[in-house]
Amino acid sequence: IAGITQAPTSQILAAGRRMTLRCTQDMRHNAMYWYRQDLGLGLRLIHYSNTAGTTGKGEVPDGYSVSRANTDDFPLTLASAVPSQTSVYFCASSEVAGGPDTQYFGPGTRLTVL
Amino acid sequence: GQNIDQPTEMTATEGAIVQINCTYQTSGFNGLFWYQQHAGEAPTFLSYNVLDGLEEKGRFSSFLSRSKGYSYLLLKELQMKDSASYLCAVRDHDYKLSFGAGTTVTVRA
Repeated sequence: IAGITQAPTSQILAAGRRMTLRCTQDMRHNAMYWYRQDLGLGLRLIHYSNTAGTTGKGEVPDGYSVSRANTDDFPLTLASAVPSQTSVYFCASSEVAGGPDTQYFGPGTRLTVL
Repeated sequence: GQNIDQPTEMTATEGAIVQINCTYQTSGFNGLFWYQQHAGEAPTFLSYNVLDGLEEKGRFSSFLSRSKGYSYLLLKELQMKDSASYLCAVRDHDYKLSFGAGTTVTVRA
């Protein structure tokens, strides 16, 4: 079934640990995005990639890094997790970065940093 | 950057109509999206407006006025399954989306 998958579904992590959230899409979409969603704040863009090999910073990039080695995968890494990074993380993709193309969202990863 | 405002909560009765307003102040505008998000699930696309006017899609319609920085999502013939959060999002010229905090709609029998 075509779509976006994220792993893990949920994770509890000790502060200071390194963590990589995985995101894979099989729709051959060019653009991919990482958001975090916190109560009362809505979705905020962390990093994005308009095409394989390129990445850009969103609204809240500090403490996070991404890579886009190929079209399908867009992992998000927390180098040294802190409690303020407790959130629900959504990966999304769109066919192109512009036009009427909507972003399709993965099921999310619920991360708790203690 | 973008500043996007929408009401926090709305309640309506099954079969009724509800209008969710969204106002935005933007440094660049390249389209407005509405998404639906059920509790514990991912957002799903509802509508897209880039020109002024009304876009209708079945029971859902979305309106945009670029000069006023204003949009609304109209939900008609409300059903219990429409209970969800509705997210307004504005796209800038770099094709990045900025989201409002969302409006939680509760449909009562």
